[in-house]
Amino acid sequence: IQLTQSPSSLSASIGDRVTITCRASHDINNVLAWYQQKPGKAPNLLIYGASTLQRGVPSRFSGSGYGTDFTLTISSLQPEDFASYYCQQLNSYPLTFGRGTKVEIK
Amino acid sequence: EVQLSESGGGLVQPGGSLRLACATSGFTFTTYAMAWVRQAPGKGLEWVSSISGDGGNSYYTDSVKGRFTISRDNAKNTLYLQMNSLRVDDTAVYYCARVHVVCIDSWGQGTPVTVSS
Repeated sequence: IQLTQSPSSLSASIGDRVTITCRASHDINNVLAWYQQKPGKAPNLLIYGASTLQRGVPSRFSGSGYGTDFTLTISSLQPEDFASYYCQQLNSYPLTFGRGTKVEIK
Repeated sequence: EVQLSESGGGLVQPGGSLRLACATSGFTFTTYAMAWVRQAPGKGLEWVSSISGDGGNSYYTDSVKGRFTISRDNAKNTLYLQMNSLRVDDTAVYYCARVHVVCIDSWGQGTPVTVSS
């Protein structure tokens, strides 16, 4: 299953609403996770099951979608949110990641 | 606290071998599938391999099939990745990861593997 993530990068300001999309080549039964990764660090789980917020993750992060089209939204971008974001499907092997979205400061 | 700690990375020549290990603590190891995920320099994340909690089922990305072997020692709470016939494009940071049904909920800090002559 291919995951097409867009955009590959974006520039945004503090307080902006940011939306990242992830499109699967086949229905993945909402078995989709989103991760945040900062330079030199391991990824960190944000969202699983397409829309369930991982414990401890700020509520400004949200996930939505079903079937093949999914979205990660940051409602009000904060300084600590500048990072790369990846979607991943775990519905079937081989597991696959999107190619990532780098969120940069405008 | 869940802890995953990789070791065994390093510099190896093309065609060589390495064995990565991931020591775990803070959870019941046998109840979780585990995975290896890698990240080439400046690139995105790539799932490499997964193994079921009892070790009975394993899965690989196509590019490593026949060259890499995932295994686990549930008595030692340790995950392994035996990497043979290494190629330059295997160069990456390798992360050990805990699979919680529908997501990866814990990651190690990563161990770098460089394949170069």
